[in-house]
Amino acid sequence: ELKVEQNPLFLSMQEGKNYTIYCNYSTTSDRLYWYRQDPGKSLESLFVLLSNGAVKQEGRLMASLDTKARLSTLHITAAVHDLSATYFCAVLFEDNAGNMLTFGGGTRLMVKP
Amino acid sequence: EPEVTQTPSHQVTQMGQEVILRCVPISNHLYFYWYRQILGQKVEFLVSFYNNEISEKSEIFDDQFSVERPDGSNFTLKIRSTKLEDSAMYFCASSAWLALHFGPGTRLTVT
Repeated sequence: ELKVEQNPLFLSMQEGKNYTIYCNYSTTSDRLYWYRQDPGKSLESLFVLLSNGAVKQEGRLMASLDTKARLSTLHITAAVHDLSATYFCAVLFEDNAGNMLTFGGGTRLMVKP
Repeated sequence: EPEVTQTPSHQVTQMGQEVILRCVPISNHLYFYWYRQILGQKVEFLVSFYNNEISEKSEIFDDQFSVERPDGSNFTLKIRSTKLEDSAMYFCASSAWLALHFGPGTRLTVT
């Protein structure tokens, strides 16, 4: 079964703190995506990770991929209130053509001042 | 920057009625998708479309659903006979290669 699991599902953190969101997936993947979703809004693409050891950074967010462990992390550095949103990872599994992404359940991040 | 657009933003329909959700993908993109998100839940794949045909579809995409690219710009999702459980946010997306660009979504409410 193709599964993508994120944890934690909910994260409340103070501004200025660091934290990591984890995304585990069940079988071999071609690529992994991270998206941000604000309440009632669409999905904003953050990162696309293609290969083992890939690391990408944008501002206070850094994503990495370990294909052997089937694990991606989204690390938040010195969080600010503007980062409050729900973050989804999504996986394109090898057996799926046509860009059928399987999404994780999402991590709702709340950054408190 | 070019964006995926969707209409309407909100559609209310009665159970058993047909609905058509419309999308205009980014103009040079070749791959088109529909995803849905039931309120507060994860995003689920419905269908992908390339070269004027469906390339993959999920179990959700049963005979009640169909997609069409009637002209060079629009991409539509039709639900023939809506059910209460079809209530969700429906997102269209398009891609040139790697990155999927999602539209703002259509909130479908079936009463």
